[in-house]
Formats: sequence, C-alpha cells, structure tokens
Amino acid sequence: DIQMTQSPSTLSASVGDRVTITCRASQSISSWLAWYQQKPGKAPKLLIYKASSLESGVPSRFSGSGSGTEFTLTISSLQPDDFATYYCQQYNSYPTFGGGTKVEIK
Amino acid sequence: EVQLVESGGGLVQPGGSLRLSCAASGFTFSSYWMSWVRQAPGKGLEWVANIKQDGSEKYYVDSVKGRFTISRDNAKNSLYLQMNSLRAEDTAVYYCARSPLNGGNFDYWGQGTLVTVSS
Repeated sequence: DIQMTQSPSTLSASVGDRVTITCRASQSISSWLAWYQQKPGKAPKLLIYKASSLESGVPSRFSGSGSGTEFTLTISSLQPDDFATYYCQQYNSYPTFGGGTKVEIK
Repeated sequence: EVQLVESGGGLVQPGGSLRLSCAASGFTFSSYWMSWVRQAPGKGLEWVANIKQDGSEKYYVDSVKGRFTISRDNAKNSLYLQMNSLRAEDTAVYYCARSPLNGGNFDYWGQGTLVTVSS
C-alpha cells in the first residue's frame, strides 16, 4: 500500500495568512493526488484533483502543486470559512488518505 | 443536483451483520465507479471498497476482505455494503462516494451513516 504522510498535523493561523500543507507519498504517484476539506460533522469536500486542478466552484485562493512524491496545498489568504481539517488522497493505486491537517484559529 | 443518501447504520454487537444502502440521484449512476469510505470517531478517512460501473470489478481494503461485500443495483440507482463478522474497529461513519469519470478521487459524498459495533 502507498502511505501518505501529511504535515503539520495541526496548524494555527490567522485570517489573511498564507497557509501551506504538505503531503508526501511513500512511492511515486505521478500527479494522482486530491485534496479535501472537512468540517466537523460533515462529509469531505473535494478541492483539488490531479495535484493541481481546481474543482469547479472552489475559490481560487486554494491551489495545489507537486508531482511524484511531494505535494502541497496552499491557501493564499485564509478566510474564516477555511478553518477545517484537510486531507490528501492518492489514487495511483488503491486509494489511501493522509492523516489530516487541522487548521485552527490562532 | 447530485445526491447520495446513505441509510442502514446503527448499533450492532460484535460478530453481527449490517447492510448499508446508498440511494443515488441527479446523475447517471450506471456510468460511475462508486466507493464506500469510512471514518472512525475522531480519526481520519479510510477507503473501504469500490465497484465498477457494471459490478464486474470490486476491490477492498485488506482489513475488510472476506467480511464485507460491495454491490450495486443500477436499475434502482443504489449502492450497498454488506458487513458481516463486525468488529469494534469497524465502528465509524460510512460514506458513499462517487468517483469522476476520469479519476480515482471522490467528487461527491453522501452525508454518512454511523455504524457502532459494541456489546
């Protein structure tokens, strides 16, 4: 199985901050990576697919980059609605998720 | 509007069985791979199983192989998960999720149904 490692596990930030979350794969997954946002009690929401493609309806302050084994999700200017937990997921083989990054209010 | 609505969760004793259902609407169900993804309380996401459009291919995470069975009924726009020999570690919210036509990620999710395995 391909292991996905996210860092940090928790991130404290303020509204307006630029935020970066990293996801590393245990082997190359090309660009087969997605990012999700999840709020408490809700289902995950797709933000980014194929490493850098923005899902329809997702604000442009979200962006993804990377390929191979190292990927990043960047929020250019954190908004109040962005405080949530973020997960990466690889789909080069059977799907596996990272452990999550909780973005908290500083 | 794409909608996925899960049902069938509840409290079950260890060793028991449960069948989850997912009713799909707003899209051509028979054209998409479908999956079950679960989330234990306070934990991360774990893909459980998926099934091809016509049901001819099914895949499972190792921890549920031989105990869970995924199936679908395209005439009823429904996805199912038969769960047998349930264990405490199967306690989770189970989500039904759709994969887009050109990828293995998940573009639509249901609201989830809680399965609790406890005596």
